[in-house]
This record gives sequence, structure tokens and C-alpha cells, in this order.
Amino acid sequence: EPEVTQTPSHQVTQMGQEVILRCVPISNHLYFYWYRQILGQKVEFLVSFYNNEISEKSEIFDDQFSVERPDGSNFTLKIRSTKLEDSAMYFCASSEVTGGGDGSPLHFGNGTRLTVT
Amino acid sequence: GQNIDQPTEMTATEGAIVQINCTYQTSGFNGLFWYQQHAGEAPTFLSYNVLDGLEEKGRFSSFLSRSKGYSYLLLKELQMKDSASYLCAVRDLGGDKLIFGTGTRLQVFP
Repeated sequence: EPEVTQTPSHQVTQMGQEVILRCVPISNHLYFYWYRQILGQKVEFLVSFYNNEISEKSEIFDDQFSVERPDGSNFTLKIRSTKLEDSAMYFCASSEVTGGGDGSPLHFGNGTRLTVT
Repeated sequence: GQNIDQPTEMTATEGAIVQINCTYQTSGFNGLFWYQQHAGEAPTFLSYNVLDGLEEKGRFSSFLSRSKGYSYLLLKELQMKDSASYLCAVRDLGGDKLIFGTGTRLQVFP
């Protein structure tokens, strides 16, 4: 079964450094997302991306964050200058079209655990 | 605003049935999803409801009442591997993202 893949699985970085988290969504999916989950807390929406542009973003997704689809397969999340509170599991997800018969659920990758020291 | 509530923790015995409730208040509604998440892993899709009523998928069933802003996930014939968090998520109107509740951590005991 096709799956969303994310790299790296773990990333440790120092405060103030830039990080890029990478994702390869499922190939025939059109919608791409980034979510984060701070340890012990709920899965929080960051941004959705469709047709090569951001379709929606949350308050968390401030100017320090950016997303890109540099080619036909990769989808990246960049954090420009990391803060301690950015430490979390970051999940990439993709979906087909919304309103499909099965609701077009989001399919999640295994996540990148980001630790900012 | 959007608010999705679930119990924080539940326990049950192997072989039993458990019902996990979810209530939601959202500005719009375009479907409700249940996900399973084992510790340290990705959420995996379990079920979807957009119309009122019960959807059955093997040992798992999900129910929706839109007028009450209420859903439940029913797990039958519980197995030890069902120990996980169960996340209720709502899709808003006019968007494609899912908004997740805090999740219910289910522990199944022998």
C-alpha cells in the first residue's frame, strides 16, 4: 500500500538554527499538510498546500515557517530560526480530493521528532 | 471557534466492548473521522461519518449525530493491540484540513 514517507526520523538542532523537514506524499494525492504534536498533547494543524500554494495556515505557522514543493514528489517544511518550543513530532500528511466517498482521509507519515536544545 | 472534546483515558478488559465518545462544536461541518495512534507512531485512519447513523467496519463501528454534535467509536472483542490513543477529528466546511481532539488513551488489560 502506498505510504507517506518522512525524513529524517529524528533531528536534533540548536536554538536559532534552521531545519528542513522532508516528506514524500502519496503519488496521486493532491492535498498536502503539516501537523505537529508536542509530547503528550493533541495533533495540531500547521498548514495545508494545494495546487502549489498554501491553502490554509494556522496561527502557529508564523513567519518562521515556510513550505515548498521543490519538485514533483517532495514537500518540505522549513523552520528558519528554531526555538525551544518548536520541539515536537512533525507529521506530514496527504489526501486525494476532499468530498470523496470515504471522506478522503489524511494519510500520515511516521513523523520527524525535532528536538531543539 | 472549534472545540472537540473526548475523555482523556479509558480502560477495558480483553474481549470486552468499549465506547469512546466525542462531542464537537465547530463553525461548520463536513465530516468526522476517527484515527488510532499508537505511542510514538503516526495516526492511522479508522472510520469516517458525514451522515447521521452508524458505520461498521469489522470490529470497529462509528456513530454520528449531527444535530447533537456527537460521535462515538465502538470497539468490539477488544484485543491487547487495541491499546492506543483514539483521535476524533472534524473537517470544517470550505476547507480540507482536519481539526483533532485531544484523543482518548485506551488501555486494554488481560
